[in-house]
Amino acid sequence: GEDVEQSLFLSVREGDSSVINCTYTDSSSTYLYWYKQEPGAGLQLLTYIFSNMDMKQDQRLTVLLNKKDKHLSLRIADTQTGDSAIYFCAERRGYSTLTFGKGTMLLVSP
Amino acid sequence: GAVVSQHPSRVICKSGTSVKIECRSLDFQATTMFWYRQFPKQSLMLMATSNEGSKATYEQGVEKDKFLINHASLTLSTLTVTSAHPEDSSFYICSATPIREFYGYTFGSGTRLTVV
Repeated sequence: GEDVEQSLFLSVREGDSSVINCTYTDSSSTYLYWYKQEPGAGLQLLTYIFSNMDMKQDQRLTVLLNKKDKHLSLRIADTQTGDSAIYFCAERRGYSTLTFGKGTMLLVSP
Repeated sequence: GAVVSQHPSRVICKSGTSVKIECRSLDFQATTMFWYRQFPKQSLMLMATSNEGSKATYEQGVEKDKFLINHASLTLSTLTVTSAHPEDSSFYICSATPIREFYGYTFGSGTRLTVV
């Protein structure tokens, strides 16, 4: 199976909170990331969390990490239509490259 | 912050021709750059790790003779798709991270390759 798994689709209304979930399998992951990809564009790093942290908040974004369950989530408060995009969860093992999930398409309706 | 520039953003080429894609780190040096391929509605697949001054490390199943990687300086890596075929049509993205930083990979804006 996939090393990093995400649900494929999430639909929310503007102003609501969005929660995108991710599970990973490698307990030796050092950093975990959330990237945003808009249509036809590259990936934009939204935030990251070190594996010894439980939570990280950055403006509207809150990342929660449950290392025991190998579960990562991204909460977007007050979701806006401009937040509509694909969100990728990724893990990094040591100082090597990233392993990505398949991405969650977030659709925000007015 | 760290910026990675990738060119061209779109390219259409004929079957059998070669296409070169450039990836530049604009405000930092990168001893290592990564090349990914993304299929429609799928995640990024790592193709190879580009190492400055040495040979690239290719992932299993990636043809090194078809996808030539050159990392001639600390700010430039190129990916050349040789003898392109329609099945090579895809979205190619590079990424890099500044030396001494162990987080925050920065991605280029991607190149949409269409082989006709």
